[in-house]
Amino acid sequence: GAGVSQSPSNKVTEKGKDVELRCDPISGHTALYWYRQSLGQGLEFLIYFQGNSAPDKSGLPSDRFSAERTGGSVSTLTIQRTQQEDSAVYLCASSLQGGGSSPLHFGNGTRLTVT
Amino acid sequence: QKEVEQDPGPLSVPEGAIVSLNCTYSNSAFQYFMWYRQYSRKGPELLMYTYSSGNKEDGRFTAQVDKSSKYISLFIRDSQPSDSATYLCAMRGGSQGNLIFGKGTKLSVKP
Repeated sequence: GAGVSQSPSNKVTEKGKDVELRCDPISGHTALYWYRQSLGQGLEFLIYFQGNSAPDKSGLPSDRFSAERTGGSVSTLTIQRTQQEDSAVYLCASSLQGGGSSPLHFGNGTRLTVT
Repeated sequence: QKEVEQDPGPLSVPEGAIVSLNCTYSNSAFQYFMWYRQYSRKGPELLMYTYSSGNKEDGRFTAQVDKSSKYISLFIRDSQPSDSATYLCAMRGGSQGNLIFGKGTKLSVKP
């Protein structure tokens, strides 16, 4: 079966522009997560969806960041007015259910470069 | 103090060596512990997961959790050059959705 799919795999954008990153989770997985990984840093949690609702948005770094999930499936992470410090790899993961022993399965990420 | 501490390495070992990777944590509510392997320009892939204290073995990999010491380990026996990657520990409490990750240890296995 297909794993977690993310697009685009690479994105170069100019400072101040908006970007949209897409995540297609594993079919049947109810929970979806966004993380950010910067060079030399660990995975920084951004947001967690259970179905279409987001019970935990605590990791979104500013109001320039937003995410939605529709139909309990595809999710989009939007960054408005991008800044150079937004440059990172954005990783999406899904799990069969949220929390507990359900492990996360990751996509290969979108590498965002803000020039 | 960060919630999860992991030595970033790099760690370099000869092929066939036993590798020990470790994490410490501060939150006693953590109950689920996972190890991920990440190759360059790829997403993390799940290697092992354990619940509460104890050992779990899967082929050349053994995961250990000592909740009393707030310390987890991953052992790799008969290491291979293909094991060269960054290893990330991750954990969560029973009611948490997100996983908390260590920064990862970069491992290089030399032929």
